Amino acid sequence: AQSVAQPEDQVNVAEGNPLTVKCTYSVSGNPYLFWYVQYPNRGLQFLLKYITGDNLVKGSYGFEAEFNKSQTSFHLKKPSALVSDSALYFCAGYNFNKFYFGSGTKLNVKP
Amino acid sequence: DSGVTQTPKHLITATGQRVTLRCSPRSGDLSVYWYQQSLDQGLQFLIQYYNGEERAKGNILERFSAQQFPDLHSELNLSSLELGDSALYFCASSSSTDTQYFGPGTRLTVL
Repeated sequence: AQSVAQPEDQVNVAEGNPLTVKCTYSVSGNPYLFWYVQYPNRGLQFLLKYITGDNLVKGSYGFEAEFNKSQTSFHLKKPSALVSDSALYFCAGYNFNKFYFGSGTKLNVKP
Repeated sequence: DSGVTQTPKHLITATGQRVTLRCSPRSGDLSVYWYQQSLDQGLQFLIQYYNGEERAKGNILERFSAQQFPDLHSELNLSSLELGDSALYFCASSSSTDTQYFGPGTRLTVL
C-alpha cells in the first residue's frame, strides 16, 4: 500500500536552533513530494514541493527540504527556528492522481 | 488567503441528518479535492474532481457523495450522520501544477 510516514508525532526545539521534521514515503514511481503547514484553526498552507532536479528544495518562510531517493525520505529543515514556526506539519506524496498525507508532526519551538 | 472558500465555517447537527458542504476553488483551478481531518485519523483524502468529473477516490464512505458543478464549485454531501463523522472537512484546489491550495475548512459537529 502506498503511504507517507512521519515517524515523530512531536518535535521540540529551542528558538534559534536548527530543526528537522522527518518524512519517509512509500509511493510508487517518481512521486511528487510536498510539505504543508497548518496553524491552529486554519487550513493547510503550501511550503514547498519536489518534482525533479536538485535534491535540496527551498520553500516559504526559510524552510527547505532534502530529497533522498535511496532512503525514500524528504525531511523538512530550517537552519534557525522561530517561535512562530510552531505548528502542525504535513508531508505528502502525489502520484497517479492521488495524494497521500502523513499523519502530521507537531513542531514546538520554545523561546 | 489561499483563494479557496468554504461554507459554512461551522455546522452543528444531529445523528441521522444530512448536510451539504460547499467549496469554491481558486480562480482557474479545475481540480477540487475533499479531505476529512479528525483527531484520531489525521488527514484523510476523500475524493477528487477534475473539471466536473470524478478523478480519484480515497477513503470516502458510501454515505458521503460529492459533485463538481459547471462553474467548478463543489459540494460534499454527508448523510445518515454518525457521531464519528464529527471532524474538520477541507477542500483544496489545484491547477496543472499539482500544488494544492486549501480552504479554511468546515468544522462539523454531530450531536
